[in-house]
Amino acid sequence: DAGVIQSPRHEVTEMGQEVTLRCKPISGHNSLFWYRQTMMRGLELLIYFNNNVPIDDSGMPEDRFSAKMPNASFSTLKIQPSEPRDSAVYFCASNEGRVESPLHFGNGTRLTVT
Amino acid sequence: QKEVEQNSGPLSVPEGAIASLNCTYSDRGSQSFFWYRQYSGKSPELIMFIYSNGDKEDGRFTAQLNKASQYVSLLIRDSQPSDSATYLCAVDSGGYQKVTFGTGTKLQVIP
Repeated sequence: DAGVIQSPRHEVTEMGQEVTLRCKPISGHNSLFWYRQTMMRGLELLIYFNNNVPIDDSGMPEDRFSAKMPNASFSTLKIQPSEPRDSAVYFCASNEGRVESPLHFGNGTRLTVT
Repeated sequence: QKEVEQNSGPLSVPEGAIASLNCTYSDRGSQSFFWYRQYSGKSPELIMFIYSNGDKEDGRFTAQLNKASQYVSLLIRDSQPSDSATYLCAVDSGGYQKVTFGTGTKLQVIP
């Protein structure tokens, strides 16, 4: 299995622009998670889906952030408009949906907003 | 109060020594506890999970859980320079896979 695939690996954009991050979970995994990692705040859960349905989006910082999972093999995280404080590494992870099931992380997208 | 707390370190230990990493959590209803390792510039990877009070051993790693004290730890025996990384404690505190991470402890194993 190729693992969780995220794109792009790096994104540099100017403040005010729209940013779309993409994720393909591991085939057969029915839960998908979006995390954001910064030095100051560590890994923060933004939103997670189970069977393509958003279960908890309480971690989404504000209305500028939105996430979708149109099917079992694809998810997007969109920031519109982007701000410099959104600069971070964004990780997508998936698992089999059981409590003890480990998270499998993608390689992350490093976002820089100037 | 943070939901999952860890000392940020760095924790420096000599090669061959035992490294002890600690984590406390606030939600008494938490059921599952994980330790992830993250090398610089890489994504986290699972090394241990535990859900029962007591110890769980896997090779050089031992996870310890004390639910009464809301405390979970990770011991690394015979530490190697390749163990140098940030160790993230994670707690399933939402009842439905809402996994919350601590900010991590940076471990440095000195050759």
